[in-house]
Amino acid sequence: EAQVTQNPRYLITVTGKKLTVTCSQNMNHEYMSWYRQDPGLGLRQIYYSMNVEVTDKGDVPEGYKVSRKEKRNFPLILESPSPNQTSLYFCASSSLETNYEQYFGPGTRLTVT
Amino acid sequence: AQSVTQLGSHVSVSEGALVLLRCNYSSSVPPYLFWYVQYPNQGLQLLLKYTSAATLVKGINGFEAEFKKSETSFHLTKPSAHMSDAAEYFCAVRGGGSNYKLTFGKGTLLTVNP
Repeated sequence: EAQVTQNPRYLITVTGKKLTVTCSQNMNHEYMSWYRQDPGLGLRQIYYSMNVEVTDKGDVPEGYKVSRKEKRNFPLILESPSPNQTSLYFCASSSLETNYEQYFGPGTRLTVT
Repeated sequence: AQSVTQLGSHVSVSEGALVLLRCNYSSSVPPYLFWYVQYPNQGLQLLLKYTSAATLVKGINGFEAEFKKSETSFHLTKPSAHMSDAAEYFCAVRGGGSNYKLTFGKGTLLTVNP
């Protein structure tokens, strides 16, 4: 089954404790992206990747890092999480063949205390 | 730059009534347009998409949307609302060509009253 998976689905952590949210897709998509969803703000892009070793900032990249060492994986790293990073995070992937229609993962709800 | 404006953060309709969710976009290149739906505590599901083919696009669950270039609009409609349509709806735009970024509107919460 074609899908985008994220882990963990729920995470509660404390300020400053480094964490990684993993994202993996099995559709051989070249394009992957991370979004955060906050009430009243919709989804905002954090980072995206056009292909392996090619990443770029989205609209709200501060406090986040990403890497793309393999085509299928695109982890989101929070080196020093802060409470304002409490949010619902979505990973997405897409490809030229689908006119870049984005396929979304199930989401990761992160709470930073 | 591209942007999306969804008019009305909350729309309430009666079961069986017409659903109309408004979306206006701005794009410097011919756009690709999408509507996604998010049910409570779930991820995003694609309802329909416009990719420069037919201007009237039919999607899942009886929804459709019409691309109007002159009005820069892509409003979502459904002739008869069901209780199961209650969800949050997001309009999104992607610039054409090599611009792959997807920009979302802030969402419209649809409530369906019995």
